[in-house]
Amino acid sequence: DVKVTQSSRYLVKRTGEKVFLECVQDMDHENMFWYRQDPGLGLRLIYFSYDVKMKEKGDIPEGYSVSREKKERFSLILESASTNQTSMYLCASSLTLAGTDTQYFGPGTRLTVL
Amino acid sequence: GENVEQHPSTLSVQEGDSAVIKCTYSDSASNYFPWYKQELGKGPQLIIDIRSNVGEKKDQRIAVTLNKTAKHFSLHITETQPEDSAVYFCAASKGFQKLVFGTGTRLLVSP
Repeated sequence: DVKVTQSSRYLVKRTGEKVFLECVQDMDHENMFWYRQDPGLGLRLIYFSYDVKMKEKGDIPEGYSVSREKKERFSLILESASTNQTSMYLCASSLTLAGTDTQYFGPGTRLTVL
Repeated sequence: GENVEQHPSTLSVQEGDSAVIKCTYSDSASNYFPWYKQELGKGPQLIIDIRSNVGEKKDQRIAVTLNKTAKHFSLHITETQPEDSAVYFCAASKGFQKLVFGTGTRLLVSP
């Protein structure tokens, strides 16, 4: 069965802290995504990766960076957390980069920045 | 780039009623339109999708219709049940372009 896991369900950090959100998929998928979910704004793509060490900016990359050192793992990094980064963060993976490929989502990490 | 609008933002129905959620897209070249369901505490999960060469697709109590001329597509849920309560997202994409999601609809089905 397809599985995407995220390291934390809830996270509370202080302004200025460096924050790491981890995502692991067990499906040998090529592509992994990080989205941010906010009420009234839907899912917005932050970054995606189509191969190990490869990354592409999504629609809202400012204030974020990513790392993909292994195929199964994709990390989202907030270099200096700010209160406007309080949000739900969703990781997803898909077999290929085709827009028609099903994306499989993790359960999300609700991040609060104080 | 593509822009997807979704309405309504919230929808309350009685159990057994039908529910309809509508989305419009801006890029006439988009050719793939999936719907994702997000239950409480979980990530979104694909429930049905439609491609631009098809006008309607059904899967038991859910169906999706596509009007390419008007650039809108809709999700229809018949005989709603409490377990249909969730947030639903529509999306659109073309070729190898990324999925663009709508803003979501919170559906509440009351017993």
